[in-house]
Amino acid sequence: DIQMTQSPSSLSASVGDRVTITCRASQSIRSYVNWYQQKPGKAPKLLIYAASSLQSGVPSRFSGSGSGTDFTLTISSLQPEDFATYYCQQSYSTPPDTFGQGTKLEIK
Amino acid sequence: QLQLQESGPGLVKPSETLSLTCTVSGGSINSFSYYWGWIRQPPGKGLECIGNVYYSGITYYNPSLKSRVTISVDTSKNQFSLKLTSVAAADTAVYYCAGRAPFGPIDYWGQGTLVTVSS
Repeated sequence: DIQMTQSPSSLSASVGDRVTITCRASQSIRSYVNWYQQKPGKAPKLLIYAASSLQSGVPSRFSGSGSGTDFTLTISSLQPEDFATYYCQQSYSTPPDTFGQGTKLEIK
Repeated sequence: QLQLQESGPGLVKPSETLSLTCTVSGGSINSFSYYWGWIRQPPGKGLECIGNVYYSGITYYNPSLKSRVTISVDTSKNQFSLKLTSVAAADTAVYYCAGRAPFGPIDYWGQGTLVTVSS
């Protein structure tokens, strides 16, 4: 099974900061990584698919990059509504899908 | 736009079977070449994929749960279901139903349903 290792597990930042979250796959998954944002009590929301494609309706301050085994999610200028937990997920292999452990983004 | 909705008991006794159903509306489950599946999230923890059923009926299970899980699809009712046997407190979680295309992101999610395992 493909493992996804996400870091950091938590992150404190201020409004306006640029933040980067990383995800490493245990083998090459080409560009088949997706990023989700989850707020308390809600289902995850798709932000980025295929490593770098912005889901419709998602603000352009969110971006993704990477291929092979190493991927990043960047938020260029944090807004108050961005404080949430973020997950990466690989869709290269057949299910079951695997997720990163999550990154909880908190207000400094 | 498809909508997914989980249904089932919110409380299950230890050693019993957890049964949930996901009803798909807004389109036919047959018309999507999708993996339909279940993801759970214990309180305060991350996301774990339980397993999936392809629209054709082929199933895929998380190896750590495989011995206790059955996922099936009923195209006549536009539903897919989860059965998890011999539950314990560690199975307490929010259970989401979800769907994705091969190689695609999970673009359909249910709202989630909390299942508590307790006597």
